[in-house]
Amino acid sequence: NAGVTQTPKFRVLKTGQSMTLLCAQDMNHEYMYWYRQDPGMGLRLIHYSVGEGTTAKGEVPDGYNVSRLKKQNFLLGLESAAPSQTSVYFCASSYGVAAYNEQFFGPGTRLTVL
Amino acid sequence: GENVEQHPSTLSVQEGDSAVIKCTYSDSASNYFPWYKQELGKRPQLIIDIRSNVGEKKDQRIAVTLNKTAKHFSLHITETQPEDSAVYFCAALGGSNYKLTFGKGTLLTVNP
Repeated sequence: NAGVTQTPKFRVLKTGQSMTLLCAQDMNHEYMYWYRQDPGMGLRLIHYSVGEGTTAKGEVPDGYNVSRLKKQNFLLGLESAAPSQTSVYFCASSYGVAAYNEQFFGPGTRLTVL
Repeated sequence: GENVEQHPSTLSVQEGDSAVIKCTYSDSASNYFPWYKQELGKRPQLIIDIRSNVGEKKDQRIAVTLNKTAKHFSLHITETQPEDSAVYFCAALGGSNYKLTFGKGTLLTVNP
């Protein structure tokens, strides 16, 4: 099993450009999450999904959109990138049932917005 | 929503010493408290977790304690080794049961 994978690993954008980050998991997890990690700020939840076709806002959703058309994929979109969105983005997934809450993280995407 | 405070932000110890990292949470309905380790340039990985019906859990050199009344939990690492050097994050799962709130992390450095 590949676990949680993310595409791309690195990306440089200019202000105003758009892009989509792809997260895929092969563990049949119901719940998927997008976090951003900035120095000294820990991991902050952007958006999450509790099942195929569902999405919800997290702590810092502004400037991002998400879609979960297939259970195994969770896409994060930036419509008009800003320098403040320079960060490392992590996707995670979990079963979501109370007894199995462990979140498995992807390798991360390092995004720089110039 | 849930708020998780983590201290200290940096911790430096000598190899063989113990390290303790403390976290407090605000939501009394929180019932699951994991700890993640993140090595430089890598993804966070779960190292130990504890549920609200347990006061302490141990796994070899690492242990976690939970005080529900005071709403705080701690990570204890004994006999530290250089490979323990990493950023450690605590987290709490709120009453919604699917959103983790993370602390801001502790950079642990173990000096040989």
